[in-house]
Amino acid sequence: GNSVTQMEGPVTLSEEAFLTINCTYTATGYPSLFWYVQYPGEGLQLLLKATKADDKGSNKGFEATYRKETTSFHLEKGSVQVSDSAVYFCALRNSGGSNYKLTFGKGTLLTVNP
Amino acid sequence: EPEVTQTPSHQVTQMGQEVILRCVPISNHLYFYWYRQILGQKVEFLVSFYNNEISEKSEIFDDQFSVERPDGSNFTLKIRSTKLEDSAMYFCASSRGGDEQFFGPGTRLTVL
Repeated sequence: GNSVTQMEGPVTLSEEAFLTINCTYTATGYPSLFWYVQYPGEGLQLLLKATKADDKGSNKGFEATYRKETTSFHLEKGSVQVSDSAVYFCALRNSGGSNYKLTFGKGTLLTVNP
Repeated sequence: EPEVTQTPSHQVTQMGQEVILRCVPISNHLYFYWYRQILGQKVEFLVSFYNNEISEKSEIFDDQFSVERPDGSNFTLKIRSTKLEDSAMYFCASSRGGDEQFFGPGTRLTVL
């Protein structure tokens, strides 16, 4: 079955540091890949996505590249801000058909200190 | 900007009691979902709902669980007889189709 593995948190960084949160997946076929973010007290929000191999998703300075050869979708940001403090979830969805369920990783708590 | 809302934000109940978690999806969305996250564990898919019927459910979604869209706006998750292990954050989501799923803020269910 499908599964997503994220690096364990929590991750604590200083403002302007470089961020990487690793994500690898197991799936049949060619899944779509997502990063969701959850700010304190809010629901999960889509941060970025990629739907095929070598696609790069990007949003708000965050990037992730769909690497089929390594089954990875690592999240990166060159310079984090205090406002990026949140929980980040990697997820996948099988492509095709009407099966739209998301399979999530455990989430990684990021804290950015000023 | 339209958003998914959930009520209550926190529900405390005694083991064996029935609970109903409520969600109002985005109005022009057609697909509805429930997920849950037990503290410290993964967000897990429970059920998806389309065209007034369940389109897929996980092994977690047993006979104790049911979903309903009682009117044109609400989408509910009922747990008939709660167990301690049902304590979790429950997230509702909706989508137009196979595109982005929009999530609500969650309901924290505590079973004592």
